[in-house]
Amino acid sequence: KQEVTQIPAALSVPEGENLVLNCSFTDSAIYNLQWFRQDPGKGLTSLLLIQSSQREQTSGRLNASLDKSSGRSTLYIAASQPGDSATYLCAVRPQEGQNFVFGPGTRLSVLP
Amino acid sequence: SAVISQKPSRDICQRGTSLTIQCQVDSQVTMMFWYRQQPGQSLTLIATANQGSEATYESGFVIDKFPISRPNLTFSTLTVSNMSPEDSSIYLCSVIAANGELFFGEGSRLTVL
Repeated sequence: KQEVTQIPAALSVPEGENLVLNCSFTDSAIYNLQWFRQDPGKGLTSLLLIQSSQREQTSGRLNASLDKSSGRSTLYIAASQPGDSATYLCAVRPQEGQNFVFGPGTRLSVLP
Repeated sequence: SAVISQKPSRDICQRGTSLTIQCQVDSQVTMMFWYRQQPGQSLTLIATANQGSEATYESGFVIDKFPISRPNLTFSTLTVSNMSPEDSSIYLCSVIAANGELFFGEGSRLTVL
């Protein structure tokens, strides 16, 4: 059974820093992996989707990488801003037709 | 992408009552899901809403407590029945688009007194 973990659980950084959020999954056979952002009391916003055949995806200041063999994905945020403060969740879809398995999230605070 | 509208966005309900949450998608999708997020927790899948047939429930969730309708490929409802304070959560509708990307509605924040 696929399990997803995220470290750290919480992170606080000063504005302008580059940072990395980590996601690990136990079964390397995945269909795709997706990163989300969630603001307090709100729904989830899709950030990046990485298909099984891809190694990374980029959107603006965000870069997500995927290493299936080691069961890891990282989300890199460049030049962090206070508006980046949110909870970031990683989700893995084991196979097409199966449901996503979510990690517990990393709560990020970017201090002005 | 997919745009998902959920109603209500929030509600405060009395113990023992029921609430129906609506989810409308701007395009036809095959896979639609309902999640629950309890305070301070990650997401828990309640069920997969199947068009034209009964929903598929995850372990710990039953149809009598969380009846789901899916009359077509763009709309679904989730009812939280006979509510108790333990049902206070954010309920989220989600869909998988054609490219395999998962999208969520804004969520319905339910408080049960």
